[in-house]
Amino acid sequence: QKEVEQDPGPLSVPEGAIVSLNCTYSNSAFQYFMWYRQYSRKGPELLMYTYSSGNKEDGRFTAQVDKSSKYISLFIRDSQPSDSATYLCAMSEGNNNDMRFGAGTRLTVKP
Amino acid sequence: GAGVSQSPSNKVTEKGKDVELRCDPISGHTALYWYRQSLGQGLEFLIYFQGNSAPDKSGLPSDRFSAERTGGSVSTLTIQRTQQEDSAVYLCASSPGYFGLTEAFFGQGTRLTVV
Repeated sequence: QKEVEQDPGPLSVPEGAIVSLNCTYSNSAFQYFMWYRQYSRKGPELLMYTYSSGNKEDGRFTAQVDKSSKYISLFIRDSQPSDSATYLCAMSEGNNNDMRFGAGTRLTVKP
Repeated sequence: GAGVSQSPSNKVTEKGKDVELRCDPISGHTALYWYRQSLGQGLEFLIYFQGNSAPDKSGLPSDRFSAERTGGSVSTLTIQRTQQEDSAVYLCASSPGYFGLTEAFFGQGTRLTVV
């Protein structure tokens, strides 16, 4: 079993839809949880990060962490074609280099 | 430049040859990371440099892989006697301090193909 599991998709939604992206993990010591967006042929860019449990909102994006279920989510409201990318979750025990990434979910938002 | 720069963007090499991949971090960033991204896989940690401290090499997959960082700035990842399984995108990231990847910026990557 991988330490971080993420459904690779692909996921296709119509413009304006609410998108839900998820990851599960097995290491209960993870404390930092991140979401990256990666456009084709580009490096990943950090969207949001959350420390420990709870929700965090930034514009159309909401990150949720449920440590009891070892489950994290990223919600995108009013999705746009420009949101089409691969979304990677990542997590670590501490704020350092030892970070584990999911395989990434490829999202397409159709106009 | 304003961002992390990696060169070359693409590299095709024959099996058994050595390759060098270069990373120019953002000026002033003390932390530098190398990751590998294979098709359909998440990012795999390779090596981490922080200031003048000894690098964390725990992610290097074999002794064919090595990296150095000169003058606390530019880094070179070297793969000796390349194998087909080394084909991947190699990503470099830099961060301004001790706050890890929560403050890191990635380069566009070097796509390595071993034929």
